[in-house]
Amino acid sequence: DSGVTQTPKHLITATGQRVTLRCSPRSGDLSVYWYQQSLDQGLQFLIQYYNGEERAKGNILERFSAQQFPDLHSELNLSSLELGDSALYFCASSPRGGQGNNEQFFGPGTRLTVL
Amino acid sequence: GDSVTQMEGPVTLSEEAFLTINCTYTATGYPSPFWYVQYPGEGLQLLLKATKADDKGSNKGFEATYRKETTSFHLEKGSVQVSDSAVYFCALSRNNQGGKLIFGQGTELSVKP
Repeated sequence: DSGVTQTPKHLITATGQRVTLRCSPRSGDLSVYWYQQSLDQGLQFLIQYYNGEERAKGNILERFSAQQFPDLHSELNLSSLELGDSALYFCASSPRGGQGNNEQFFGPGTRLTVL
Repeated sequence: GDSVTQMEGPVTLSEEAFLTINCTYTATGYPSPFWYVQYPGEGLQLLLKATKADDKGSNKGFEATYRKETTSFHLEKGSVQVSDSAVYFCALSRNNQGGKLIFGQGTELSVKP
């Protein structure tokens, strides 16, 4: 158990809908990272928050947004869903925000299926 | 941009066989390499890492040496077990990019008894 929790575990929805994925980092970790794992794209970095502020952005679509709240949990919002958004979404946390050799602790993921 | 290339799978080995999974990367500056492992139905776990050139990371019998001159971080294990069956991901991050991880495509390992 990494100490990172993600809810829900599975999500099935229809095209055009909007969903929210939730992540609680390990106690004391200030950084939260979101990744998308799909068969065709592999594991891709989406976005990072550090202590409530956006720190880095990757290949995140404009239909997707995220935020980190004062209690440090984070939410990833996916809107106008398309079939291609079906994937496993991972959240990871780390104690600090910028160090390259900083270990990241991954949650179990949320499997999103768009029908 | 930065990229990571690792050998394609699936790799199938018999128990107690020697394992090598190649990983090379393209990156500027001073990246930090990692190996993560994903067991079926689970999230990723850090397997090992290196912090500077010629560092050897090791954990659970796995080893990898960070070779800056060949931009490589190959994963090795002398004697694999059935319980090592998983998907292995090579990754790197850089200090000036917030610590985000750039992953290779993953290598699926299946160990048969």
